[in-house]
Amino acid sequence: EVQLVQSGAEVKKPGESLKISCKGSGNSFSSYWIGWVRQMPGKGLEWMGIIYLGDSDTRYSPSFQGQVTISADKSISTTYLQWSSLKASDTGMYYCVRPEEGRVDYWGQGTLVTVSS
Amino acid sequence: DIQMTQSPSTLSASVGDRVTITCRASRSISSWLAWYQQKPGKAPKLLIYKASSLESGVPSRFSGSGSGTEFTLTISSLQPDDFATYYCQHYYTYPWTFGQGTKVEIK
Repeated sequence: EVQLVQSGAEVKKPGESLKISCKGSGNSFSSYWIGWVRQMPGKGLEWMGIIYLGDSDTRYSPSFQGQVTISADKSISTTYLQWSSLKASDTGMYYCVRPEEGRVDYWGQGTLVTVSS
Repeated sequence: DIQMTQSPSTLSASVGDRVTITCRASRSISSWLAWYQQKPGKAPKLLIYKASSLESGVPSRFSGSGSGTEFTLTISSLQPDDFATYYCQHYYTYPWTFGQGTKVEIK
């Protein structure tokens, strides 16, 4: 069974940098794609991007291209979501997910990011 | 990008009601559509994939249908545990996108 365990909640100021993580477990984890989904407060779900742990092939959704960086360290089955300069509008819940042929069958518990001065 | 539009945005229903939620794609996605249920403070849960396949462990009162650009999620007899927000998501080609969600409320 796949498990995705995300890093804890973060409170940051605008302009600060941040890197959150998602550690996976389960058979053949390095052959999976892992994705990130944003949910702003009281709003719907948004795909941010996906990364293949085997070779770090990464695809971003257009709205998030250039706004975040998705990376991975397959040796420790961990993916990362990184911001270089946070904005208040980055406040939200961020889920790492395992898409199986595109449908998401496993979700992390979510990391709440709060950006406020 | 393919846009997904759900209707209605909010639905008020009673326990035992038959409930239908519609999801329309801006162009054909064949049957590459999933449905999720999300309860407050929780991660979403996969209900249906490939438009009509029931995920393991999901009650049979949930069903999905459709292909091309129009899809439906049906709850045959609404139960108290089903009051939640439902999302569709296409995975025909990247970027995958979600619908805006349908909140099912108690009438």
